[in-house]
Amino acid sequence: EAGVTQFPSHSVIEKGQTVTLRCDPISGHDNLYWYRRVMGKEIKFLLHFVKESKQDESGMPNNRFLAERTGGTYSTLKVQPAELEDSGVYFCASSLFGTGPLYGNTIYFGEGSWLTVV
Amino acid sequence: AQSVTQLDSQVPVFEEAPVELRCNYSSSVSVYLFWYVQYPNQGLQLLLKYLSGSTLVESINGFEAEFNKSQTSFHLRKPSVHISDTAEYFCAVLSGGYQKVTFGTGTKLQVIP
Repeated sequence: EAGVTQFPSHSVIEKGQTVTLRCDPISGHDNLYWYRRVMGKEIKFLLHFVKESKQDESGMPNNRFLAERTGGTYSTLKVQPAELEDSGVYFCASSLFGTGPLYGNTIYFGEGSWLTVV
Repeated sequence: AQSVTQLDSQVPVFEEAPVELRCNYSSSVSVYLFWYVQYPNQGLQLLLKYLSGSTLVESINGFEAEFNKSQTSFHLRKPSVHISDTAEYFCAVLSGGYQKVTFGTGTKLQVIP
């Protein structure tokens, strides 16, 4: 079974440019999450999709960040315009939908998209 | 709100020595706990999890963690570490209605030859 895949794995862009990160969750997983880790700091939650709907976007830092999940499958996270402080690792994760302890409580992470803004 | 605390930011240990990485959680409701690992230049991988049942959970590479409700802890242990265990380890708890993972600040395990 394929895991969560993210693209690109690494990206170097100039300040002011736009970058779009893509995440393909595990097939059948309705929950999709974006997290990021700015260098040297903790991993922080950005937002959570259930299918194509944004369930919780309380962690989005500002309006330069736009996440979409059209059709409830893959998701994109666009940063426009990118700033130096956006550099870090952006993790995508997915899980089955459900609240029972044996269903849907394991969240699987991708390998991350490493973004460097120069 | 549920949270986890990892007091040790770095833990150096000699190869073949035992190690314990500490994690304490705060929660007033049922808690589901995880340890994730990030090897150098790689992504996050689930190491082990506690959802219910036995309080001692194990990973395939020799790590174990024990859920201790009275001490609100979920420490990660390994009796004998290997160079390949060098990585950053994150304790995490399921929160936000069991749909969001909240991470600790991470502990860097450095295994010294």
